[in-house]
Amino acid sequence: GQNIDQPTEMTATEGAIVQINCTYQTSGFNGLFWYQQHAGEAPTFLSYNVLDGLEEKGRFSSFLSRSKGYSYLLLKELQMKDSASYLCAFMDSNYQLIWGAGTKLIIKP
Amino acid sequence: IAGITQAPTSQILAAGRRMTLRCTQDMRHNAMYWYRQDLGLGLRLIHYSNTAGTTGKGEVPDGYSVSRANTDDFPLTLASAVPSQTSVYFCASMEREEAGELFFGEGSRLTVL
Repeated sequence: GQNIDQPTEMTATEGAIVQINCTYQTSGFNGLFWYQQHAGEAPTFLSYNVLDGLEEKGRFSSFLSRSKGYSYLLLKELQMKDSASYLCAFMDSNYQLIWGAGTKLIIKP
Repeated sequence: IAGITQAPTSQILAAGRRMTLRCTQDMRHNAMYWYRQDLGLGLRLIHYSNTAGTTGKGEVPDGYSVSRANTDDFPLTLASAVPSQTSVYFCASMEREEAGELFFGEGSRLTVL
């Protein structure tokens, strides 16, 4: 079967670093995605990993280990505007995205 | 501004009524999707279309139908709404099915009483 899991909620301090983990199980894999969703808004694309390793994009980085079925999203120099839900999803062998329930990130001053 | 337009933004509907959620994109993307998002659950795929003229069932298709007469439009119809269909519905598109990056509409909040 297929499944994907990420923490429900995390809290971090403005200016700090936070790592949001995502684990998945699937027999067919075509990449791992991270999206950001502010309350009441649509999700927006953050990153895509298809090969093992770290992809850096400004303050945000995403890591993938295919052998472990594991990814994380790293957010540096946290800002209040980073308060949002972060959605992890993998693309299966039929090119369909399977979504986690999302991690609500709360940033405190 | 290029993107995806959904209508209506919000709707309250009596159970048993028929409802069509509209979705139009102007990016000439081949693949389009309808998701529903409920508190505590991930986005769940209702129906999809990889190209104009074709549609497929997602994870939760029961009670919903779609059509894809052309590249730009992908309406979602609830033939006879039930309270369990109360949700936020997102239409999304992708350049092609294997491209990866989804572009979302702003969502349609539907309440079925």
